[in-house]
Amino acid sequence: SQTIHQWPATLVQPVGSPLSLECTVEGTSNPNLYWYRQAAGRGLQLLFYSVGIGQISSEVPQNLSASRPQDRQFILSSKKLLLSDSGFYLCAWREQEQSYEQYFGPGTRLTVT
Amino acid sequence: DAKTTQPPSMDCAEGRAANLPCNHSTISGNEYVYWYRQIHSQGPQYIIHGLKNNETNEMASLIITEDRKSSTLILPHATLRDTAVYYCIVRVGGSNYKLTFGKGTLLTVNP
Repeated sequence: SQTIHQWPATLVQPVGSPLSLECTVEGTSNPNLYWYRQAAGRGLQLLFYSVGIGQISSEVPQNLSASRPQDRQFILSSKKLLLSDSGFYLCAWREQEQSYEQYFGPGTRLTVT
Repeated sequence: DAKTTQPPSMDCAEGRAANLPCNHSTISGNEYVYWYRQIHSQGPQYIIHGLKNNETNEMASLIITEDRKSSTLILPHATLRDTAVYYCIVRVGGSNYKLTFGKGTLLTVNP
């Protein structure tokens, strides 16, 4: 069966520090991968999605970036965090040939201080 | 993708049916209606989807009006574990499959 992992579960970082969040998927090949953010009291916002290794689409301009170095690995990064980067970060995957379900990871709660 | 409108919150008694409405009056003919839910501090969970016909699975039923401008998600016997934010999403199926989440409906199931 398929499994999605995210780490760390929680993170507290000072403003201006770098960020690296990792997401890995097991049990599937060539998935679509997604990064979402949920700020406090707000809805889920799609940040990036990827349909293959090295292929990244950005949905909103910001100081975050994403990379997909391996088929089932998706990384969210920042060189310098802002206070507004605080939130709940969720990774999700979907099978390329299946149209309906996205499967979400457990999320990382990031607090920028 | 068509915009959806949902009530911000609803209450339901445990054991009773929960009926969550969603308005999507600008839906196009090739757009599907999806429902997800998010339990506090967890990632969203897929519930059900439909295009024209009513759908039922082990979790819920989806009733879509004939003109497809609105739909209702039905949880037939709500439990306390069904307390969550429920999102109604309308979009075209396809390879990119991006989901746009609104604010959803916070369903609170009361004992």
